[in-house]
This record gives sequence, structure tokens and C-alpha cells, in this order.
Amino acid sequence: GAVVSQHPSRVICKSGTSVKIECRSLDFQATTMFWYRQFPKQSLMLMATSNEGSKATYEQGVEKDKFLINHASLTLSTLTVTSAHPEDSSFYICSARGSGRGPDTQYFGPGTRLTVL
Amino acid sequence: DAKTTQPTSMDCAEGRAANLPCNHSTISGNEYVYWYRQIHSQGPQYIIHGLKNNETNEMASLIITEDRKSSTLILPHATLRDTAVYYCIVNSGGSNYKLTFGKGTLLTVNP
Repeated sequence: GAVVSQHPSRVICKSGTSVKIECRSLDFQATTMFWYRQFPKQSLMLMATSNEGSKATYEQGVEKDKFLINHASLTLSTLTVTSAHPEDSSFYICSARGSGRGPDTQYFGPGTRLTVL
Repeated sequence: DAKTTQPTSMDCAEGRAANLPCNHSTISGNEYVYWYRQIHSQGPQYIIHGLKNNETNEMASLIITEDRKSSTLILPHATLRDTAVYYCIVNSGGSNYKLTFGKGTLLTVNP
């Protein structure tokens, strides 16, 4: 299957700092990338959808100024959690879909565990 | 997107077939059935998807009823590494389609 990577896999930061998470599609061009968040014992919740070269579309209740998404190339999207607080601690997962991998399939990264102290 | 209903949990013996059911009685004609799984602390893994016909790949088989109101994911020879939460998702696809994850089924494969 298609390969999507995320970096870092795990990050611990102090409250008030910003954290950037990278999502890369390694063997295909991703026209659309998605960012999800998963709290313990809960299912994945979609945060935002981004298309290469355009602004991200955020789901209701997700603060666009707090979760900055950049999808500058067909293989890279970044999520920056600005002024992180302990309640932002979660498992952040990206996914990608794009040309050459069928029109209807998302491939997911391994996830990034964020802990805000 | 149509809603799906899955059992909360299932058990299966190692080496036996695991049959995971999913109800999607409100599915519409242009919606696909997708299956993903998530092993603990990992990102979801795509398994298979289908529209009307049964599908098979190297991981699993997907059986969709003729009225498309339910489906079954079959892992032919379950291993301990197949222990995971399995999600059945209905979606129409398209250029910006979004997947809505429910609670899924926790499949535990026992030795």
C-alpha cells in the first residue's frame, strides 16, 4: 500500500509553546491531505482537510488560528499547534489521497503523540 | 454519509476465519463501503473497499449483500497481529471525500 510518514512520532512540550508536525506521502503525490485527532479510548475526529496550494477547510469547532495547516507541496503537509495547552495533548494522525492511488482511498500516517506539560 | 452499526467487540481463535459484520441500512446508491483497522497506538490501515460486488485482496474479503444494507469483512486466517479495532465506513468518494470514524469493532484474536 501507499506510504505516509509523520514526524515526529512523539513530542513533549511545555504549555504555551508551538509544535509542528510533518506529514509526507512518500511514494505518491497527495492532492488532498487530512488531519485527525484521537483522544484516549475515542475514535478519530477529523480536524481539517487541505488541498495542495490552497487554504485548509476546518471542521466545526476546530480553531483555525490555533491549528495552522500548510500544504505547500504535493508530498508535504504540516500541522502547527500554536500556544499548546495540556488539553491539546492527543494523538494526531494525518492521511493522504492523491493521483495514482485510486480515487477513493485514504492512506494514513503512523500518528504523532503530543503531550503538553 | 450513511451511518454504520458494528458490534463493539468480537473474539476469534488464531488460525480461524474472522467475520466482522457491519450494517449500513441507509446506504445510498453511490456510496462505497470501506474497511480500515487500527492497531493500538498506530494510524489506521486501509483494508478494502467495495461498491456492489464482493471484493478480495491479499488482506481480506468483503462480502456485500445484494440490497447493500450490510456487509461482512472476512479475515480468512486470523493471526495475533490482526488484533485491532476494525472500522466500517460508508462514503461516496469524490475529490474531497471525508471519512467519518465510528467506534468500530475491537477484534481480539486469541492463541
